[in-house]
Amino acid sequence: AQKITQTQPGMFVQEKEAVTLDCTYDTSDPSYGLFWYKQPSSGEMIFLIYQGSYDQQNATEGRYSLNFQKARKSANLVISASQLGDSAMYFCAMRGGNQGGKLIFGQGTELSVKP
Amino acid sequence: DADVTQTPRNRITKTGKRIMLECSQTKGHDRMYWYRQDPGLGLRLIYYSFDVKDINKGEISDGYSVSRQAQAKFSLSLESAIPNQTALYFCATSRDGAYTGELFFGEGSRLTVL
Repeated sequence: AQKITQTQPGMFVQEKEAVTLDCTYDTSDPSYGLFWYKQPSSGEMIFLIYQGSYDQQNATEGRYSLNFQKARKSANLVISASQLGDSAMYFCAMRGGNQGGKLIFGQGTELSVKP
Repeated sequence: DADVTQTPRNRITKTGKRIMLECSQTKGHDRMYWYRQDPGLGLRLIYYSFDVKDINKGEISDGYSVSRQAQAKFSLSLESAIPNQTALYFCATSRDGAYTGELFFGEGSRLTVL
């Protein structure tokens, strides 16, 4: 069975500082993808970044980077230079290569950026 | 206009009523999904469809049914709504089942069952 765990229900960060949101996963699929989505207070789900299980390098998208440690089964999201607009709920998610395309989600982490 | 459109965006109803949430997409994707979001639980999969003739149950399908009327349309029904079905519901699409592609979400439908 696949599982995604986010152990930080809520976090605070000072504006302009970096923050790491934790995500661990469990799967028996040899091929899988890891995703992070952002959900602002307006409710929509915004795709941020993707990491494939065979990717040799950590994914980066602007101020977002994914710290992928395959042996530890972790896929932490790093946001550099936090902005007030980064305040939102963040979800880690996974698609397994043998799971028919289903995306499973963690519980989410609510990030608050302080001015 | 949004690529994945959900209607209604907000709905308040009473216990026992039948409710339908509709989803339409212009992305041309074959795969469509319905999720519900509850605080502290993340998003959980209700049903998913690979094409018009293929419907599959997700992890929390009890109390729900779906209809895939066309490639672009996927509806979720609550035959007899109950208060613990109060949640934020999302429709999503994907191009295929490859683990490399993200899901594209609608804006969500907030349902309150009194």
